[in-house]
Amino acid sequence: EVRLVESGGGLVQPGGSLRLSCAASGFTFSTFWMSWVRQAPGKGLEWVANIQLDGSEKYYVDSVRGRFTISRDNAKNSLFLQMDSLRAEDTAVYYCARKGNAFDIWGQGTMVTVSS
Amino acid sequence: DIQMTQSPSTLSASVGDRVTVTCRASQSISSWLAWYQQKPGKAPKLLIYRASSLESGVPSRFSGSGSGTEFTLTISSLQPDDFATYYCQQYRSLSETWTFGQGTKVEIK
Repeated sequence: EVRLVESGGGLVQPGGSLRLSCAASGFTFSTFWMSWVRQAPGKGLEWVANIQLDGSEKYYVDSVRGRFTISRDNAKNSLFLQMDSLRAEDTAVYYCARKGNAFDIWGQGTMVTVSS
Repeated sequence: DIQMTQSPSTLSASVGDRVTVTCRASQSISSWLAWYQQKPGKAPKLLIYRASSLESGVPSRFSGSGSGTEFTLTISSLQPDDFATYYCQQYRSLSETWTFGQGTKVEIK
């Protein structure tokens, strides 16, 4: 079964850091671009970041560039999102997604709450 | 950056209705458009990719059309399971931002 499972979410204070992980299974992870997408409570979807097959190319939405870092470990079939200098507006469910035919596989999401 | 505008924001319809959702891009994206369905508390589900290609396992009552800047998602006969929020997304280039529309909530009339 093709599957993505996120972990690492939680409550963090403004200015803090958090590292999200996404474990992939059931497909050849190293042959797909991967992404993070977030959804603030009651709001729409927002694409956050993409990473190329070997991690050599990375792209970010303007609002997180310089604060978030996407990375991957193909040997461990894992995707990561390092989030630094977190703000209240980063509060959201964070999904990892596979770029196949568009975003064809999604994880269940992990909640990140930035609050004092 | 490419902006995506969906209309309407909310749509009230009955079972059996034909439903159409529109998505407009601020510049040409060729056919690099996808449609997703999302239900409360769940991850989005891919319905349509490349503007008109039906994802495997998705019922044939869903269809997509358009190219350039104007796109539509059509549900030919609305079923009870189809009440959800629908999002379009452009993915014109791997090196650009991939933008979602703001969503269209399909409600029971």
